[in-house]
Amino acid sequence: AQSVSQHNHHVILSEAASLELGCNYSYGGTVNLFWYVQYPGQHLQLLLKYFSGDPLVKGIKGFEAEFIKSKFSFNLRKPSVQWSDTAEYFCAVNNFNKFYFGSGTKLNVKP
Amino acid sequence: DAMVIQNPRYQVTQFGKPVTLSCSQTLNHNVMYWYQQKSSQAPKLLFHYYDKDFNNEADTPDNFQSRRPNTSFCFLDIRSPGLGDAAMYLCATSMRQGRTGYTFGSGTRLTVV
Repeated sequence: AQSVSQHNHHVILSEAASLELGCNYSYGGTVNLFWYVQYPGQHLQLLLKYFSGDPLVKGIKGFEAEFIKSKFSFNLRKPSVQWSDTAEYFCAVNNFNKFYFGSGTKLNVKP
Repeated sequence: DAMVIQNPRYQVTQFGKPVTLSCSQTLNHNVMYWYQQKSSQAPKLLFHYYDKDFNNEADTPDNFQSRRPNTSFCFLDIRSPGLGDAAMYLCATSMRQGRTGYTFGSGTRLTVV
């Protein structure tokens, strides 16, 4: 079965620090990859997505992610985080109309 | 604005009393999903409709049912809510194949007393 792994469950950073959140998936076929963000008390919002082309994808709010097919990975990065980036981040994989979510990473940015 | 709307935002129900959550969309998306999200956990897919075709996840309890009377509306029925069913219920939509990603509603937080 398809699975999505996010190994960092809770990350604490200071403002201006660089961020990288790991995401690995198990399916070997064609997949579409996404990162979603959930700010406290709000609904899930799409940060960025990949389905073909340049493996380095740029999203909103300065986030980017790199698809490395050989590693089945789609890690999320941001060069300099802000306090407003405090949220929970979910990696998701889409295959045949189903989305599979990772368990999420809570990011806490200290001002 | 095109969007996914879930009503109500908060729902309190009694243990064992049937409850229905609703979702509507103005996006004309083919696919509608229901997810259950418990605190500090990933959203868990319960089922989805691809047009009129209902697709149940293997581990979704029989207590959970769904209806999609037309393209715009989808309902989640919980026949006999238990305390363990207290959660945020998320509705999402996508075009076929999901390449555009999901559009999520704001969710309905269900409390069972």
